[in-house]
Amino acid sequence: EVQLVESGGGLVQPGRSLRLSCAASGFTFDDYAMHWVRQAPGKGLEWVSGISWNSGSIGYADSVKGRFTISRDNAKNSLYLQMNSLRAEDTALYYCAKTTGFGAPNDAFDIWGQGTMVTVSS
Amino acid sequence: QSALTQPASVSGSPGQSITISCTGTSSDVGGYNYVSWYQQHPGKAPKLMIYEVSNRPSGVPDRFSGSKSGNTASLTISGLQAEDEADYYCSSYTSSSTPYVFGTGTKVTVL
Repeated sequence: EVQLVESGGGLVQPGRSLRLSCAASGFTFDDYAMHWVRQAPGKGLEWVSGISWNSGSIGYADSVKGRFTISRDNAKNSLYLQMNSLRAEDTALYYCAKTTGFGAPNDAFDIWGQGTMVTVSS
Repeated sequence: QSALTQPASVSGSPGQSITISCTGTSSDVGGYNYVSWYQQHPGKAPKLMIYEVSNRPSGVPDRFSGSKSGNTASLTISGLQAEDEADYYCSSYTSSSTPYVFGTGTKVTVL
């Protein structure tokens, strides 16, 4: 069974850091690009960051650029999101998503985890 | 990069057809055939329903179809069923500094 399981969320103070992880199983992890998408409580989806199959291409939303860093470890079938200088507006459910391809523009997000909640508050 | 524009809500009776629009610009929806659609039930993760404007993944009923004209993409649900009641989001690749953008979301209600 294809599965993505996120972890690492929690309550953190503004300005602090948090590292999210996503464990993948049931598919050949290093064949596909991976992304993070977030959803603030009661709000819509927002693309956060994506990384190609070999980490050769990485992208970020303007809202997190310079603060968040995406990475992957293909040997461990894992995706990560290092989040620094967290702000209240980063409060959201963070989803890990597999794509249909290796990192091309036509990739769609075909498998999603259940998400991990990040709350930024003092 | 602004979110793509979708109607906040669309409703229909069982068996009817409804269409959800997704309006962007020539830098996203209009510039690429890389529009996808996602269904999200309350408390659940999104599910891919359509990719590359009009392609259905395996397992998605053929009641769901996608199209595009100019800067506007559309998702049509034919033969509306109770289980189709959910939120729907479009997404597109963009040429901006943020390479992917989602729509504002549409709540579909089955009357």
